[in-house]
Amino acid sequence: GENVEQHPSTLSVQEGDSAVIKCTYSDSASNYFPWYKQELGKRPQLIIDIRSNVGEKKDQRIAVTLNKTAKHFSLHITETQPEDSAVYFCAAPPYNTDKLIFGTGTRLQVFP
Amino acid sequence: GAVVSQHPSWVICKSGTSVKIECRSLDFQATTMFWYRQFPKQSLMLMATSNEGSKATYEQGVEKDKFLINHASLTLSTLTVTSAHPEDSSFYICSVGGREWSYEQYFGPGTRLTVT
Repeated sequence: GENVEQHPSTLSVQEGDSAVIKCTYSDSASNYFPWYKQELGKRPQLIIDIRSNVGEKKDQRIAVTLNKTAKHFSLHITETQPEDSAVYFCAAPPYNTDKLIFGTGTRLQVFP
Repeated sequence: GAVVSQHPSWVICKSGTSVKIECRSLDFQATTMFWYRQFPKQSLMLMATSNEGSKATYEQGVEKDKFLINHASLTLSTLTVTSAHPEDSSFYICSVGGREWSYEQYFGPGTRLTVT
């Protein structure tokens, strides 16, 4: 089955710096790669996703890159702000299933 | 994205009792819903996939007789934790989506269960 690994587990950056979180997956047939942001005690919120037919997608300060050959994808946050502080999860679906397998999460802290 | 509600938002129960958690899809009909459990500072662990009109599909290691899932309509799925024990205390979150939503999933606000 699908296995999703996520690094780093914690990340501290200064406001204005960039943050990068990386995930690797095991199922080469996976074709959808979302990123979720979860604030303490709240629900996970879908912030960006990418499908296997593209290599990069951007939405303002957030971008996701995908390398299908190496089976990894990354979340890039530029010009970080204190409100970006949260736990970020990547996920991937095992082939031909509806479900998502989540990575272990990255706690991002942005210091003013 | 889809709008999903859960009820209750938090519940405290005594050991040995049962608790029912409701998940509602408010703005679209969901053939598939998912139930996750999240322990403090941990990831989302999928418990089961709930399919409208049929039996739920449980993940390995999840006791189907303990975590009863019913998906009787296209807008409502329920999770009943039977004979709850303190180790069942957790944050339970549902989501809607899957392949009918091009794999996107949208989450409910979660239910915090505390078993005393």
